[in-house]
Amino acid sequence: AQSVTQPDARVTVSEGASLQLRCKYSSSVTPYLFWYVQYPRQGLQLLLKYYSGDPVVQGVNGFEAEFSKSNSSFHLRKASVHWSDSAVYFCAVSIYYAQGLTFGLGTRVSVFP
Amino acid sequence: EAAVTQSPRNKVTVTGGNVTLSCRQTNSHNYMYWYRQDTGHGLRLIHYSYGAGNLQIGDVPDGYKATRTTQEDFFLLLELASPSQTSLYFCASSDAWGQSSYEQYFGPGTRLTVL
Repeated sequence: AQSVTQPDARVTVSEGASLQLRCKYSSSVTPYLFWYVQYPRQGLQLLLKYYSGDPVVQGVNGFEAEFSKSNSSFHLRKASVHWSDSAVYFCAVSIYYAQGLTFGLGTRVSVFP
Repeated sequence: EAAVTQSPRNKVTVTGGNVTLSCRQTNSHNYMYWYRQDTGHGLRLIHYSYGAGNLQIGDVPDGYKATRTTQEDFFLLLELASPSQTSLYFCASSDAWGQSSYEQYFGPGTRLTVL
């Protein structure tokens, strides 16, 4: 069975600083990989996804992620955060067709002015 | 834009109570999912469905039933609610074909409290 580890439960950054959120997965095969964001009192929104090809994928709102097969990782980055980026970020994987996603526990990001 | 709606948004019931959570998607997606979100556990899959009349068991199905009445509507049933089922419940949908079947669209969630 696959699993996802997000080692940082909370991250605090200053507005304008860069952000990196870590995600490592365990899977018997290379999974499909996703980052979702959950704003307060809202559902999850897809930030970006990786299926194959270029290991660096671009998402919405200036986010990007880099896949590393050798490290079994899919880290999320943003060059300059805004206060509106304060949210909970989830890494998720899927290896089985239409059988649901396996999520990490999430990282809560707080951006301070 | 794809849309998944859930009702009610908040629900309080008592132990042993009967609760139905509703989900409707207007994405024309075949697949629908129910997850629960709990601190320390992230999101966990309860049940999912490939289409009307179909039901598949997820990772944490105990204490839950589900029914898919149409392509659009998926219901989660708690027939004897327990405090351990206090949680935030999310519904999601995904397309049927190729890589799009892995990408899920989520509703806003239903917060259920069992006293």
